[in-house]
Amino acid sequence: DTGVSQDPRHKITKRGQNVTFRCDPISEHNRLYWYRQTLGQGPEFLTYFQNEAQLEKSRLLSDRFSAERPKGSFSTLEIQRTEQGDSAMYLCASSFPGGNTIYFGEGSWLTVV
Amino acid sequence: AQSVSQHNHHVILSEAASLELGCNYSYGGTVNLFWYVQYPGQHLQLLLKYFSGDPLVKGIKGFEAEFIKSKFSFNLRKPSVQWSDTAEYFCAVNAGNNDMRFGAGTRLTVKP
Repeated sequence: DTGVSQDPRHKITKRGQNVTFRCDPISEHNRLYWYRQTLGQGPEFLTYFQNEAQLEKSRLLSDRFSAERPKGSFSTLEIQRTEQGDSAMYLCASSFPGGNTIYFGEGSWLTVV
Repeated sequence: AQSVSQHNHHVILSEAASLELGCNYSYGGTVNLFWYVQYPGQHLQLLLKYFSGDPLVKGIKGFEAEFIKSKFSFNLRKPSVQWSDTAEYFCAVNAGNNDMRFGAGTRLTVKP
């Protein structure tokens, strides 16, 4: 499979715990995006990387959230001190250099109890 | 900032009925427009896109969409739906930056 892959697909965690999600983009893509999607809503932009540089961050990305892409390949999204409001699907997407079309992974479901 | 409105939250049709899903966006400049589909249990997939040129764009599975600049609209159409079209449909706008804005989605249920 050469699509965007995300891990884990599902995570249940207790409030206050930290969680980390991983995304492996399509190999030729140098752009990588993180989105969040809650029930009944469309995906909301969180942040974007070009290679290893994090170029944009949404105001939705509070200081409890941190994303990295250390070698310009895979990326991680960490949520510290999770809250119930963090329960959502976290989507990763990637695109070609200069491309406007982004390709999504299957998402990582987070449930905070 | 750009925003996207999808008028219908849930549409229920019988097989062979015609489909039109509304999408309006608010942004005054040049935009790139997309429709994505999410089948049950699957990831978002690109259905079609408009960057420039012919405002009537054709996508996969018989879908098409028409960009009407004066109405800030990009409605999705299909002349005859099938049960397998049951899914959630998202309209999205990218104003040339990297912040793609999505509508809230329209859930389509096609009755066999």
